[in-house]
This record gives sequence, structure tokens and C-alpha cells, in this order.
Amino acid sequence: ETGVTQTPRHLVMGMTNKKSLKCEQHLGHNAMYWYKQSAKKPLELMFVYSLEERVENNSVPSRFSPECPNSSHLFLHLHTLQPEDSALYLCASSQIRSGVLFFGEGSRLTVL
Amino acid sequence: KNQVEQSPQSLIILEGKNCTLQCNYTVSPFSNLRWYKQDTGRGPVSLTIMTFSENTKSNGRYTATLDADTKQSSLHITASQLSDSASYICVVSPDAGNNRKLIWGLGTSLAVNP
Repeated sequence: ETGVTQTPRHLVMGMTNKKSLKCEQHLGHNAMYWYKQSAKKPLELMFVYSLEERVENNSVPSRFSPECPNSSHLFLHLHTLQPEDSALYLCASSQIRSGVLFFGEGSRLTVL
Repeated sequence: KNQVEQSPQSLIILEGKNCTLQCNYTVSPFSNLRWYKQDTGRGPVSLTIMTFSENTKSNGRYTATLDADTKQSSLHITASQLSDSASYICVVSPDAGNNRKLIWGLGTSLAVNP
């Protein structure tokens, strides 16, 4: 138990579906992150929310839309995804000035 | 170009044996270096974090070393256990307290066999 909970753990969706990934942290941290992990690639930072202000990675396609309603919750809204978006999506949290990232268990996404 | 390279890509050892994983980086400036353990299908878990002035740091049977002059780090696992089977990822930060700029390695996949 890392204090960061992600749901669902597994998700299969078609290219025309709309779904959302949810992340909740119970550590009192003030920064939350979405990472994408694909086979044979290093972790790729998608989005960061720091004090609920979003800092984007400009290379993320618009079919991924993050939402951070408060410092404990983070969502990743998915729509019209492509098969190459299939990956493990990891949520993490940290204190802004701390180096340590605490990760959730991940959401394994498969796009058909 | 900022890069983190890990070797070997994969490693198989027998339970009870020791092993050492390598991490070479070309990141500048340098703030700290971290090692994470990631079980298959799970999220990474932090093992150690070392700053420029730290040469060695231990976490149970895991010992990380850092040579900031040669830009090399190693992770030594002592008396391996089956539960050590995982991917071990080296991460370098060029900016203290700014996780937006982390440079991630590809990881070393370790299999510990009985």
C-alpha cells in the first residue's frame, strides 16, 4: 500500500469510447502526476498538477484530458484513443520540494 | 543530450546470490539519483535517493553507490530472494525538488530463480 490508489486496474476500450482513469492519494502531498509506461520505453511524463495548477507536456495528444478537482484527486479522461495508446498509466504524488515520487499500482489500458 | 543508460538489460540469478546493476548517466546539471523497484504490472517503489555528496546508501539488502565524477551508479543486491524479481529503474534529476525534469532509464529486468 503506497497511499496512492488508482482505478480501474484494467481497462479495455474501443477507439470510439470515452472513459476515465481515477487516482486518489492519502499522503497529504501537493503535487500529482500522470505517467505513461510503454514497453521498451522509459516512463513518459504526461501531466503534472502542482498546487492544483496544471503543467502540461506539450507532446501529449488532446485525446488525453486531465482533471484535478483538489489536491487529493486526479483524473485522466480518455476519448477517441488509438491502439498505440495501449500502455500502463501510472499516477504519482509528491511534496513539491521532495524528490520522492509515490506511485499507484497503475491502470493497464488496452485500446482495441 | 541528457540520458540514463542501464546495464544489463536483463539478468537471471539464483536465489541467495548477489548481483550488481549499473547506471551511467550524462545528465547535467546533476541534483540527485534515484533507484526504483517495479514489480511486473505494478507501480515503481522508491529504494534510494542520493545527492551529489553521498557515495553510498543502503536500504536493507539493497545498497546503491554513486560516483558523481564518472557519472556512474550501481545497485547491489545481497542474498537475493525470489521477491527481488522485478525491474530496477535508475532515475536522474537535474533540478532538486522539480520532478518535472526527471530522466528515466529503461530499467534492468532481474529474475531470481530458486
